[in-house]
Amino acid sequence: TQLLEQSPQFLSIQEGENLTVYCNSSSVFSSLQWYRQEPGEGPVLLVTVVTGGEVKKLKRLTFQFGDARKDSSLHITAAQTGDTGLYLCAGAVDSGAGSYQLTFGKGTKLSVIP
Amino acid sequence: DTGVSQDPRHKITKRGQNVTFRCDPISEHNRLYWYRQTLGQGPEFLTYFQNEAQLEKSRLLSDRFSAERPKGSFSTLEIQRTEQGDSAMYLCASSISGGARDTQYFGPGTRLTVL
Repeated sequence: TQLLEQSPQFLSIQEGENLTVYCNSSSVFSSLQWYRQEPGEGPVLLVTVVTGGEVKKLKRLTFQFGDARKDSSLHITAAQTGDTGLYLCAGAVDSGAGSYQLTFGKGTKLSVIP
Repeated sequence: DTGVSQDPRHKITKRGQNVTFRCDPISEHNRLYWYRQTLGQGPEFLTYFQNEAQLEKSRLLSDRFSAERPKGSFSTLEIQRTEQGDSAMYLCASSISGGARDTQYFGPGTRLTVL
């Protein structure tokens, strides 16, 4: 069973500050996806990282996949109140039955205070 | 391009009743997943379809749960004899074979409350 540990679980910061969220596992993943989820809604895909060491940037968000494809980080620069939400990482493993079922972390609940 | 849609968005039912949820994936996506999310947790995998074939089921999927995807397009998830422990958000996701390691796109979910 693959487990993904996300840290921190809760984060409250002032607008304009930088932050990093971590996602760690002892398992190797085929890919890792980051989602953002609002209350009462489904997760919305932010990025998929596939290659070990890969870095992807999405405006003020920077995603990195660890060299061994076991961990990932999300860095937000100059946080804005609109960044408030639940950030979920999810690792994909080829189940052998043709699917890449996702194993999710518990999420990091981010609050950006004006 | 419409995303994944789910219906209903909310369902309140009494213990012991049967409920059915529907998921319409992104039109060209041949893979469809169901997940369940409880408060304070990330989503947990329930079952997977490739076209109309159900290829994988989680241990979480008790015999009261059944899912179908009869024509390889929309899918239904039925829960029989609901229990209070079934209260959760039920999420559907779809993807396309050959996509970047199967990037999955989620619907808005169906929030089930069992009284």
